[in-house]
Amino acid sequence: NAGVTQTPKFRILKIGQSMTLQCTQDMNHNYMYWYRQDPGMGLKLIYYSVGAGITDKGEVPNGYNVSRSTTEDFPLRLELAAPSQTSVYFCASSYGTGIPDTQYFGPGTRLTVL
Amino acid sequence: GQQLNQSPQSMFIQEGEDVSMNCTSSSIFNTWLWYKQDPGEGPVLLIALYKAGELTSNGRLTAQFGITRKDSFLNISASIPSDVGIYFCAGLPFLGTSYGKLTFGQGTILTVHP
Repeated sequence: NAGVTQTPKFRILKIGQSMTLQCTQDMNHNYMYWYRQDPGMGLKLIYYSVGAGITDKGEVPNGYNVSRSTTEDFPLRLELAAPSQTSVYFCASSYGTGIPDTQYFGPGTRLTVL
Repeated sequence: GQQLNQSPQSMFIQEGEDVSMNCTSSSIFNTWLWYKQDPGEGPVLLIALYKAGELTSNGRLTAQFGITRKDSFLNISASIPSDVGIYFCAGLPFLGTSYGKLTFGQGTILTVHP
């Protein structure tokens, strides 16, 4: 049981480039989340999904897109990278049943946009 | 959006000392959670609190859900070097179906000197 895995661990992008951050969970969780963590700012929710085919915006969705075609995968897409998107990105998942349930986090992707 | 104010921002303590940190909000939360983040890793859940006034322990950690539902406290007794890391509070709002969308505090950076 690998839990939540994220790739890549590190990435440097040039302004205007695009990339996809991958997230996979093997716990058969219904809910998945993407957060970004800026220094001294805690984690902010970018997008979330309550099941395959269902996604919705979080607190800071601008500049990002997501899709959820399977239960296991929840990729995050950056279309036109900007320096403001330099951050550490965390994917998380939970069962989504019961109130509340535990979110399990991946190890993170550290992204730098130059 | 909702904000959680976590304090202190950082703490430098000697091994064996007790630690206290707290989190406050201007709005009510239904659930309070405390996470720890080790360097280069994602946050890991330490304690979950579901009822106002609840006091819950996990080993040397004790957390309380404030009576007003607007605050929570975390205490660590007899600190050890492996307690080093960033501690985050997180809250789940009291707003019907929230799909597990957590609001995080800014984090408390804990350094323990041997």
